[in-house]
Amino acid sequence: QKEVEQNSGPLSVPEGAIASLNCTYSDRVSQSFFWYRQYSGKSPELIMSIYSNGDKEDGRFTAQLNKASQYVSLLIRDSQPSDSATYLCAVKGPRRSGNTGKLIFGQGTTLQVKP
Amino acid sequence: DAGVIQSPRHEVTEMGQEVTLRCKPISGHNSLFWYRQTMMRGLELLIYFNNNVPIDDSGMPEDRFSAKMPNASFSTLKIQPSEPRDSAVYFCASSPGGTGGSYEQYFGPGTRLTVT
Repeated sequence: QKEVEQNSGPLSVPEGAIASLNCTYSDRVSQSFFWYRQYSGKSPELIMSIYSNGDKEDGRFTAQLNKASQYVSLLIRDSQPSDSATYLCAVKGPRRSGNTGKLIFGQGTTLQVKP
Repeated sequence: DAGVIQSPRHEVTEMGQEVTLRCKPISGHNSLFWYRQTMMRGLELLIYFNNNVPIDDSGMPEDRFSAKMPNASFSTLKIQPSEPRDSAVYFCASSPGGTGGSYEQYFGPGTRLTVT
């Protein structure tokens, strides 16, 4: 089992719809969770971080965390063609010997928003 | 504020040559990460430093790869000798490293390496 799993997609949604991107992780004691957006040919860009169970909203983006189910998701409301990109989920485990900030990345989900 | 700076942005070299990639992290960040990204393998962590000290180099593919961080504002990733299978995009990222509880990583623009 991979440490962080995402469906590679592509996930295709029409413009204006809600896009739902999902991520599961294997280490039950993981503490910090991040969503990155990567446009083709560009570097990953941090868009959301979440540390506590529940929802965190930032503009059209909502991150949801359920530690009991080891599940984190990203919702994009009113999807736009400019949201078309690959979305990477990243997880930081608990502080252990030698682990002072390493993130484990999923393979990413490709989102296509069609006009 | 300047983000993470990487150079060169593109590098084309012949098999067997030495390649040096450079990175300047965001000022004040304590942690620096080197990643490699390919279509087949996705984003792979090669090595990371905390306060200029290498913490985990388990992702370094083999002895041909080496990384240094001589000071808080500069790091290098060297490949010697280079091979065609090293062709990839290499990213450097930096992080506050836990100051105030933040482990968010910020990526540089990457170096696209092509080894022929």
